[in-house]
Amino acid sequence: EPEVTQTPSHQVTQMGQEVILRCVPISNHLYFYWYRQILGQKVEFLVSFYNNEISEKSEIFDDQFSVERPDGSNFTLKIRSTKLEDSAMYFCASSEPGSGNTIYFGEGSWLTVV
Amino acid sequence: QQQVKQSPQSLIVQKGGISIINCAYENTAFDYFPWYQQFPGKGPALLIAIRPDVSEKKEGRFTISFNKSAKQFSLHIMDSQPGDSATYFCAASGYSGTYKYIFGTGTRLKVLA
Repeated sequence: EPEVTQTPSHQVTQMGQEVILRCVPISNHLYFYWYRQILGQKVEFLVSFYNNEISEKSEIFDDQFSVERPDGSNFTLKIRSTKLEDSAMYFCASSEPGSGNTIYFGEGSWLTVV
Repeated sequence: QQQVKQSPQSLIVQKGGISIINCAYENTAFDYFPWYQQFPGKGPALLIAIRPDVSEKKEGRFTISFNKSAKQFSLHIMDSQPGDSATYFCAASGYSGTYKYIFGTGTRLKVLA
């Protein structure tokens, strides 16, 4: 079964440093997403990306965050100047277009900011 | 209006029992309601999903009941097993420029052997 793959699985970074989380979505999917889950809390939407541009972003996704699809397969989330409260599991996801199409999640990248 | 409220926060069920998790939404534009299962350290995995044009959907031991007028839907796990112990999230989706999911707060289920 095709799957969304994410790297790294875990990253520890110093406060103020930049972090790039990488994702390879399912190959025939056209919508890409980043979600965040702070430990013990619900999964929160960050951003969706379609046709090489952001289609929607949440209030969490401020100027500190950016997304990019640098080539035909990778989808990245960059967090500039990380803060302690950025510590969370970040999930990449992808889906085919259309309502009711399942969003498939990766295994997540656990980010710890110290 | 974008919230999805989920209850209970945690649930303990005996092996073989029925686990019931409830969710409620406000936005009538939502038209797709999936349930996800998440094990510790793993990503959410789709369990079962329903559209509002049906009142019930069953897949194996998992059933979604949907009440459109009340804007509520629930997950029933029949014959609950210890391997079902996980966190369950309901979600809702509708087109708003994208097809993002709004997740409930999660229910931590523990099935006792």
